[in-house]
Amino acid sequence: QSALTQPASVSGSPGQSITISCTGTSSDVGGYNHVSWYQQHPGKAPKIMIYEVTNRPSGVSNRFSGSKSGNTASLTISGLQAEDEADYYCSSYTSGSTFRVFGGGTKLTVL
Amino acid sequence: EVQLVESGGHLVQPGGSLRLSCAASGFTFSNYWMSWVRQAPGKGLEWVANIKYDGTEKNYVDSVRGRFTVSRDNARNSMYLQMSTLRAEDTAVYYCARDAYPYAVDVWGQGTTVTVSS
Repeated sequence: QSALTQPASVSGSPGQSITISCTGTSSDVGGYNHVSWYQQHPGKAPKIMIYEVTNRPSGVSNRFSGSKSGNTASLTISGLQAEDEADYYCSSYTSGSTFRVFGGGTKLTVL
Repeated sequence: EVQLVESGGHLVQPGGSLRLSCAASGFTFSNYWMSWVRQAPGKGLEWVANIKYDGTEKNYVDSVRGRFTVSRDNARNSMYLQMSTLRAEDTAVYYCARDAYPYAVDVWGQGTTVTVSS
């Protein structure tokens, strides 16, 4: 069981917006702004999409945005495109013994 | 070009040992924290360990603490993961990763596969 909880799957049509949630506790997501999001296509290494809750690395489309409320962080993808179909993982620093944790991952299907 | 290349993945019997290597290029290796992240077949990502830029601080996930040791050689631009007392549940693709942002990875290697089976 992953430390952070994500929905197993979400879907949307091209052009639509979707949001993926990532729920933790006050020891990780709720207590720190060290939440990041990663995209992973099948057979490929992950790619960072968001860091420090809301920041986009250079080169990442502004269709990707992050937010946080309480113990839940969210990744929103607007204007869905076929190439967005992938697995998405959240991650957070934790004050627990594990130091850093990932969510279980969410499979995004573009219909 | 910033690049991380892992090596050392292999088939090993339960209880055995293995050493993974990560060769870095294209950036000043000694300036960065580095991490190992693994992914079991068909499963999600799991952070395994990280090491401070000068090697003076190391952190581990609970499931590997006491069995795995992370180290680095800044003169060789390399990081290592010494794994011992391996278990079937350690079977995974192991990624070498650069920590550029606070507690986030910006560069990943292509991964090396470790299979623990008799």
